[in-house]
This record gives sequence, structure tokens and C-alpha cells, in this order.
Amino acid sequence: GDSVTQMEGPVTLSEEAFLTINCTYTATGYPSLFWYVQYPGEGLQLLLKATKADDKGSNKGFEATYRKETTSFHLEKGSVQVSDSAVYFCARGSNSNYKLTFGKGTLLTVNP
Amino acid sequence: GAGVSQSPRYKVAKRGQDVALRCDPISGHVSLFWYQQALGQGPEFLTYFQNEAQLDKSGLPSDRFFAERPEGSVSTLKIQRTQQEDSAVYLCASSLAGGGRDEKLFFGSGTQLSVL
Repeated sequence: GDSVTQMEGPVTLSEEAFLTINCTYTATGYPSLFWYVQYPGEGLQLLLKATKADDKGSNKGFEATYRKETTSFHLEKGSVQVSDSAVYFCARGSNSNYKLTFGKGTLLTVNP
Repeated sequence: GAGVSQSPRYKVAKRGQDVALRCDPISGHVSLFWYQQALGQGPEFLTYFQNEAQLDKSGLPSDRFFAERPEGSVSTLKIQRTQQEDSAVYLCASSLAGGGRDEKLFFGSGTQLSVL
């Protein structure tokens, strides 16, 4: 079935460091791909998405490119801030409907 | 309200008790979803409503789990005879339209259920 494999955490970085969180997905069909973020005490929020191969989703300095050839959707940011500390979830959509399949999440802590 | 609201925020139940978890979606949102998030795992789909109709309950883990949305707004997830394996965070999400594959979901903060 559908699955998402996400880089294990936790990840600890210093402010202004470069961030990569790896994500790969099962290759059946042409799913949409998403990154959700969960700040402490809050619900999951959509960070960015891409709906087809080679699309790049971007938001708040974060980027991820839909790579069909490597079935990947890695999250990157050039310079992280303390306020980026959160749990990040990679997710793939169903080929036909609303269901989301999530990875296990990666806890990011950014120190000043 | 401005976002999806869930209550209670925390619930402790003794094994065998029944619990009811409430979700208030964003006003006017047609679609409503329940997800279950076990410790250290990502959320897993439980069930989906479009207005008051429960169109998909394929993710409910057993017949002890029951969800309803009788007037197409507030939803309740009920778990009967709770077991320790039911301990998890239960997330509710809503979306504006009919739950298409690219639709943006708005999540609540969840209800953390602990079964002792």
C-alpha cells in the first residue's frame, strides 16, 4: 500500500544552518506530496505541496521538489531560525481521493 | 471560530470505559476527517465525512470506534470499552470542499487519550 519514509530525528541545528529532511514515498500512481509542520501545542499546518513531477513547493523559505525518478520530496531551507523548531511531517496523497499517508515525523530543534 | 477546535485536550480513561471526543470544524467546511496518531508515528486515517454523510470509515480499527456528524458540523468520535492500545492523539481536520486529492486540510490540536 501507500507509504512514506521520512528521515529519523531528532535533528538539532544552530541558527542559520542549512536544513535537509529526507522523504521518500511509494511510487504507485501520481500522488500529490505535502509537508506539514506542527509547532508546539498547535495542530498540523500545511507548509507546502507539489502536485506533479518536477513541481517545486515553497513557503516561508522552505522548498521541496517532487522527484519522480527518485520517488523523493526532500525538505530544504537555506538558513533556519529558532522559530522553525517544530515537528515536520511528509505526506503523500491518494491517487484518487482525500486520504493522506504520513511519515513518522521529524523533530527539528534550532538553537540560537 | 478561527480554526478547528477539539475537546477535551487531554482525556484519561480507565480500561473498559467509553469516551467521546468532540471536533468543531471551521464554519462552512464541508469535509471532516479523523486521524489517529500513536506515539512516535505519523497520523493515520480513520474516517471521512462529507456534510453529515460518513463516506469512508475504512480506517476505524474496530467496531468499538464510532463517529458521527449528525448536522454536518460538529463531529464526535466515540470509543467504547477502551483498551490500552487506543492510547493516542486523535486529530480532527476539515476542508472547505468535497475532499478532493489536493485539498488543503486544517487540523485541530488534537485530543490526547491515555487509557490506563
